[in-house]
Amino acid sequence: KAGVTQTPRYLIKTRGQQVTLSCSPISGHRSVSWYQQTPGQGLQFLFEYFSETQRNKGNFPGRFSGRQFSNSRSEMNVSTLELGDSALYLCASSLWTAYTGELFFGEGSRLTVL
Amino acid sequence: AQKVTQAQTEISVVEKEDVTLDCVYETRDTTYYLFWYKQPPSGELVFLIRRNSFDEQNEISGRYSWNFQKSTSSFNFTITASQVVDSAVYFCALSEARSNDMRFGAGTRLTVKP
Repeated sequence: KAGVTQTPRYLIKTRGQQVTLSCSPISGHRSVSWYQQTPGQGLQFLFEYFSETQRNKGNFPGRFSGRQFSNSRSEMNVSTLELGDSALYLCASSLWTAYTGELFFGEGSRLTVL
Repeated sequence: AQKVTQAQTEISVVEKEDVTLDCVYETRDTTYYLFWYKQPPSGELVFLIRRNSFDEQNEISGRYSWNFQKSTSSFNFTITASQVVDSAVYFCALSEARSNDMRFGAGTRLTVKP
């Protein structure tokens, strides 16, 4: 079956702009979670969505937001970009919950902020 | 708060050597899950194993084995007869029932030389 698809794979933005990243989970998976990966901070949990509701949120400022659609596809948005937002953003899907389940990750969206 | 420590930042071995990746965790929850993920150069994390806090049974899967010891809060991963294809970054992760998110360690970069 098709894996988790993230688009775009690479993008370059400038400070102050906003960006929207998309994630299509594995068919039938209802939980989508997002992670930020940087060399300095490692992998950090952003948020998890389940059935269009945000179920959990990590310790990130309000500039980071997300949503999930009825087909389980998810988007995350970062507004007023800062240099420190440069990172690999990984999306993961699971059947029910990110907490207990095996996570299936996409290849990520690499964001560079200039 | 939950915490995962992978003290080994980088490990380099020669093919066919055995290698153990260490993982130490901290949690106050009695119900939790431990995971190992592999991140090859392509970027997506690949699930390797999940263990819940009530199951201390060690597991072997081919050349991979895992040793879970609650007494020392450790969940170590051993690769026997390593191969070049094992080269990747390996992450240990912990999720708790109460926080409902997954925390990753900093990762261990394993390089297997031919």
